[in-house]
Amino acid sequence: DIVMTQSPLSLPVTPGEPASISCRSSQSLLNSNGYHYLHWYLQKPGQSPQLLIYWGSNRASGVPDRFSGSGSGTDFALRISRVEAEDVGVYYCIQGLQAPYTFGQGTKLEIK
Amino acid sequence: EVQLVESGGGLVKPGESLRLSCKASGFTFSKAWMNWVRQAPGRGLELVGRIKSKTDGGTADSATPVKGRFTISRDDSENTLYLQMDSLKTEDTALYYCATAVVVSTRSAFDFWGQGTMVTVSS
Repeated sequence: DIVMTQSPLSLPVTPGEPASISCRSSQSLLNSNGYHYLHWYLQKPGQSPQLLIYWGSNRASGVPDRFSGSGSGTDFALRISRVEAEDVGVYYCIQGLQAPYTFGQGTKLEIK
Repeated sequence: EVQLVESGGGLVKPGESLRLSCKASGFTFSKAWMNWVRQAPGRGLELVGRIKSKTDGGTADSATPVKGRFTISRDDSENTLYLQMDSLKTEDTALYYCATAVVVSTRSAFDFWGQGTMVTVSS
């Protein structure tokens, strides 16, 4: 199975400041169609996960443009340009290239 | 409106069985690849398995921890996804979600999730 490693696992951020989360995979997530099968989710407290970013850098419907994804091969990042209070929760990356799809451990973002 | 509603969770003893259901509406269920994801209390997300649409072969894949014990199936006439869980272990205690990709054009990016059904395995 592909192993996904996130860092940091805990991320305290001051509102208005930027934040960045790293996700590394044990093998390249580049598919033959040219897309990277790396997606990002946010699970807010008490809620089901919600899709933020797919194919490494495409924002899902309704996701604010302060969220952006980047990366290639095995190294990816999720960036929040200016953190807001509603962004608290646990962020997960997942590889969708090879079954079984595997998640990172999660990064808990909290407001300072 | 897309809806995924899980049911069937509960308290069972180790070694017992349980069947979870996920009733879908608001999209063409028969074309969707459906997934089960679980989350143990205070822990992260873990994909349990997925089942392809029948037009894509209808095959199911399960994660290593549940392989041989859990079976994923679907009834397209009832728009329902199932998870048959046998030989349950205490470490299977978790909130079980069904999830799928409806809007996005990649089947591994789940843009719709249910609210989950809780399974507790304890003696």
